[in-house]
Amino acid sequence: GESVGLHLPTLSVQEGDNSIINCAYSNSASDYFIWYKQESGKGPQFIIDIRSNMDKRQGQRVTVLLNKTVKHLSLQIAATQPGDSAVYFCAENMGSGTALIFGKGTTLSVSS
Amino acid sequence: DTAVSQTPKYLVTQMGNDKSIKCEQNLGHDTMYWYKQDSKKFLKIMFSYNNKELIINETVPNRFSPKSPDKAHLNLHINSLELGDSAVYFCASSLKSGRVATQYFGPGTRLLVL
Repeated sequence: GESVGLHLPTLSVQEGDNSIINCAYSNSASDYFIWYKQESGKGPQFIIDIRSNMDKRQGQRVTVLLNKTVKHLSLQIAATQPGDSAVYFCAENMGSGTALIFGKGTTLSVSS
Repeated sequence: DTAVSQTPKYLVTQMGNDKSIKCEQNLGHDTMYWYKQDSKKFLKIMFSYNNKELIINETVPNRFSPKSPDKAHLNLHINSLELGDSAVYFCASSLKSGRVATQYFGPGTRLLVL
């Protein structure tokens, strides 16, 4: 079946570096994409989202890029901090009320 | 002022028992979900309710029965628990009628079947 996946299971960076987490999706009908952060022992926490009619969206220290041509999604974190250490998931769905399809997650480790 | 809450946070039980997990949201959302996260951290949808009606029912054993008494609550009852049911179960909610589809997650219930 179609699924959302991440290219790397782990990413280790130094504090202050920029981090890029990638995700490939296969469902061209998906309309909405979300990045979640999951810290140890907690539930997924919304970070940033993007609709399929956009190719870039910026938040505070985070940017999501969507390339529909190659079905690729990325999350950029500027000036990564130790508090950014977590598992990051991309997810897709086809609009409000539909189930999220999650990728496998990338564990980001930030060393100071 | 927790947005999506679940009880209990931890649940340790014997194989064959019946248990329930409760979920409540105070966000005014009309759609609620149950997701299962396995030991490899993979998250997968189980059920979804919109205005107390079941709208998503993935391939889940019928030992799992969701119940939604009202829009703000979605409970999960599990009969005859098996070892393979051990996982973290997350409740989530969203607004179906809204333009955006953001789902907000609860803190999870860690189920261990012995």
